[in-house]
Amino acid sequence: KQEVTQIPAALSVPEGENLVLNCSFTDSAIYNLQWFRQDPGKGLTSLLLIQSSQREQTSGRLNASLDKSSGRSTLYIAASQPGDSATYLCAVQGAQKLVFGQGTRLTINP
Amino acid sequence: AAGVIQSPRHLIKEKRETATLKCYPIPRHDTVYWYQQGPGQDPQFLISFYEKMQSDKGSIPDRFSAQQFSDYHSELNMSSLELGDSALYFCASSPGGQGWEQYFGPGTRLTVT
Repeated sequence: KQEVTQIPAALSVPEGENLVLNCSFTDSAIYNLQWFRQDPGKGLTSLLLIQSSQREQTSGRLNASLDKSSGRSTLYIAASQPGDSATYLCAVQGAQKLVFGQGTRLTINP
Repeated sequence: AAGVIQSPRHLIKEKRETATLKCYPIPRHDTVYWYQQGPGQDPQFLISFYEKMQSDKGSIPDRFSAQQFSDYHSELNMSSLELGDSALYFCASSPGGQGWEQYFGPGTRLTVT
């Protein structure tokens, strides 16, 4: 059974800092890994999708890496802004369904 | 670009009532997934359909049923509602079965009182 773990559970940093969110998964037989952003009580916004054959994806200030063999992914956020405050979820796709981690609650302090 | 549509966006029901949630996938997407996100929890997979057939099943209670129709929209039917069914219900669609990116709808917030 696939299990996804995100560390840390919560993170608070001052504006402007670069930061890294971590995601680990137990079964390396995945098709892809997605990073999502979720604001309180709101829906899921897809940030980046990394296919199993890829090692990283970039979008603006975001960079996600994937090491399938070790079951790890990181989301790097550069020059953080208060608007980046949200919960960040990673999810891996095995056969069909997505298995989500518990998320990292990120707070960027002005 | 067209997105996944879910209706209603908000629903309030009493215990033991029934509820029906609807999902309209992105055009030409033939696969639909349902997820449930309880308060403070991560989304949990309920059920999926590919070409109108159930393709995978997760932790979906027996009180829930779902189907995908000929136009590929899907409905999640929930009966004998319990307080613990209060959650955000997300629908996602993809253009194929395994391995395709899933695109999420805005969710339906169900409150059971």
